[in-house]
Amino acid sequence: DTAVSQTPKYLVTQMGNDKSIKCEQNLGHDTMYWYKQDSKKFLKIMFSYNNKELIINETVPNRFSPKSPDKAHLNLHINSLELGDSAVYFCASSTRSSSGNTIYFGEGSWLTVV
Amino acid sequence: DAKTTQPNSMESNEEEPVHLPCNHSTISGTDYIHWYRQLPSQGPEYVIHGLTSNVNNRMASLAIAEDRKSSTLILHRATLRDAAVYYCILRDYGSGYALNFGKGTSLLVTP
Repeated sequence: DTAVSQTPKYLVTQMGNDKSIKCEQNLGHDTMYWYKQDSKKFLKIMFSYNNKELIINETVPNRFSPKSPDKAHLNLHINSLELGDSAVYFCASSTRSSSGNTIYFGEGSWLTVV
Repeated sequence: DAKTTQPNSMESNEEEPVHLPCNHSTISGTDYIHWYRQLPSQGPEYVIHGLTSNVNNRMASLAIAEDRKSSTLILHRATLRDAAVYYCILRDYGSGYALNFGKGTSLLVTP
């Protein structure tokens, strides 16, 4: 079973549309994240949730809205998509451990806005 | 997070050891040194981490300098599958939840 799974893997959509990417983890972790990797391959944290509560919200347009219905899920909804939103979005999860946060990543969702 | 400095790229021959360096001169006493790697078209994956002592696991070894201002990830026998971008990241236990990735080192493994 995949530990962190996200759907869809590929998404092509037009500017102005609203889309969602879903993420689920079956590791029993209490913390989940969304990362964005742009065309230059830089990985940046977008959001972090701990026990369904938002704890990190980096400088991200408010068109991006994460939603965590329970500890195992963290979905990313994007309104009014723009060309610059084209990127790979990675979901991840972790639990706080005595040796410091090993994070498990999903395989990524490739978003292309045309 | 304290900043790390890594070479942009390195090259190795298959089946030879690889030493990937990382400088972190501003590391604080509670920062853990984490290494992740990202294979092409995949999400990052955990490799190893440590605080002060050298660490070994099935994937790699981590050698940490005595003053902790630098560390080296050692792949004992590189395979083609080890071609990836390797990230050295400092995390302070308890100070937050996310890892902040830098540019990493792109490792090329040639047959």
